[in-house]
Amino acid sequence: GDSVTQTEGQVALSEEDFLTIHCNYSASGYPALFWYVQYPGEGPQFLFRASRDKEKGSSRGFEATYNKETTSFHLQKASVQESDSAVYYCALGAYTGYQNFYFGKGTSLTVIP
Amino acid sequence: GGIITQTPKFLIGQEGQKLTLKCQQNFNHDTMYWYRQDSGKGLRLIYYSITENDLQKGDLSEGYDASREKKSSFSLTVTSAQKNEMAVFLCASRPGTGGYAEQFFGPGTRLTVL
Repeated sequence: GDSVTQTEGQVALSEEDFLTIHCNYSASGYPALFWYVQYPGEGPQFLFRASRDKEKGSSRGFEATYNKETTSFHLQKASVQESDSAVYYCALGAYTGYQNFYFGKGTSLTVIP
Repeated sequence: GGIITQTPKFLIGQEGQKLTLKCQQNFNHDTMYWYRQDSGKGLRLIYYSITENDLQKGDLSEGYDASREKKSSFSLTVTSAQKNEMAVFLCASRPGTGGYAEQFFGPGTRLTVL
């Protein structure tokens, strides 16, 4: 079945460091890929989406590129700030079928000032 | 824009108790979801519904019932609360039933069972 794998469970960085959170997916067909961010005490918020090969999604300085060859959608940011501390979820949405949205286990990012 | 409201925000129950969580959305979205979030385990799907009076089981449906009597509301019942259980229950909605639209989430209900 369809699935999403996030390699890092926790990431700790200093301010202005470069961020990469790895996301790989397994799906039949051509899914859309998403990144969500969750701050403490809140529900996850949609960050951005990409729906075709080589498409780049971006928002708030974060970006990821849909790579069908490597089945990846890695989240990157050039210079993290303390306010970026949150849990980040990669997700997959398949075009057919009702139960068609799958989340990774999440990556907790802590940015040390 | 729209909003998803979850009530209550905090829920404290006793072992064996039946507990009901409520979710309302004013997006006019077709599909609604209930997820359970445990520390370190991500989001696990309990139930979803693609329209009024429709219910579909997710991977974690055992021990839960759900109800969607109106398009705008989706309730979840914990049929028998487990001692020392602690989790966050998240409600979400999405337009249509296809996979390309994003989900919108509520703020969550935090359950503690004594």
